[in-house]
Amino acid sequence: DIQLTQSPSFLSASVGDRVTITCRSSQGISSYFAWYQQKPPKAPKLLIYGASTLESGVPSRFSGSVSGTEFTLTISSLQPEDFATYYCQELGSFGQGTKLEIK
Amino acid sequence: EVQMVESGGALVQPGGSLRLSCVASGFSFSSYGMAWVRQAPGKGLEWVAAFSSSGGSIYYADSVKGRFTISRDNSKNTLYLQMSSLRVEDTAIYYCAKDRLGPTMVFFDFRGQGTRVIVSS
Repeated sequence: DIQLTQSPSFLSASVGDRVTITCRSSQGISSYFAWYQQKPPKAPKLLIYGASTLESGVPSRFSGSVSGTEFTLTISSLQPEDFATYYCQELGSFGQGTKLEIK
Repeated sequence: EVQMVESGGALVQPGGSLRLSCVASGFSFSSYGMAWVRQAPGKGLEWVAAFSSSGGSIYYADSVKGRFTISRDNSKNTLYLQMSSLRVEDTAIYYCAKDRLGPTMVFFDFRGQGTRVIVSS
């Protein structure tokens, strides 16, 4: 099984901040890597797939990158609607999630 | 518009059985891999089972292997999850998802509201 270690678990930030969330993979296959956003009580929403391809309709302030087996989600300038929980995923494994809260 | 409507969730006793359904619309159901993903109360996401569009590949998480069966009826645009020998730890919201890209199951495209399963005596 693929092991994904996502950090941080909690992140407190302000509107306008630049934030990064990291996910370290035991395999690190970019083609199979994605990021999701979830706002309870809704289902998760696909943000980025293939490590860096932005899903249609997702604002350009979201971006994904990879360096080796470390994947990064960056939000360039936080907006109020971005406060949510974010998950990384690689094939059948999900990261533990990062809850992004308003400071 | 792509839509998925999950149903079948209920309160069931440990050891019991349940069948979940997911009716899909707005896309060519038979051309896409489909999967079930669950989320226990206050917890993260857990992939449960996946089914390629052709049916040639079926995958299960170790936590449900031998107890859950995923199936699909392409003529009815419906995905199923037959759950048996249910355990308290199976309590969760169950979401169905289609693959974002095509016939396998790599990226999850969620379009439903989920269905709640509670396993309790």
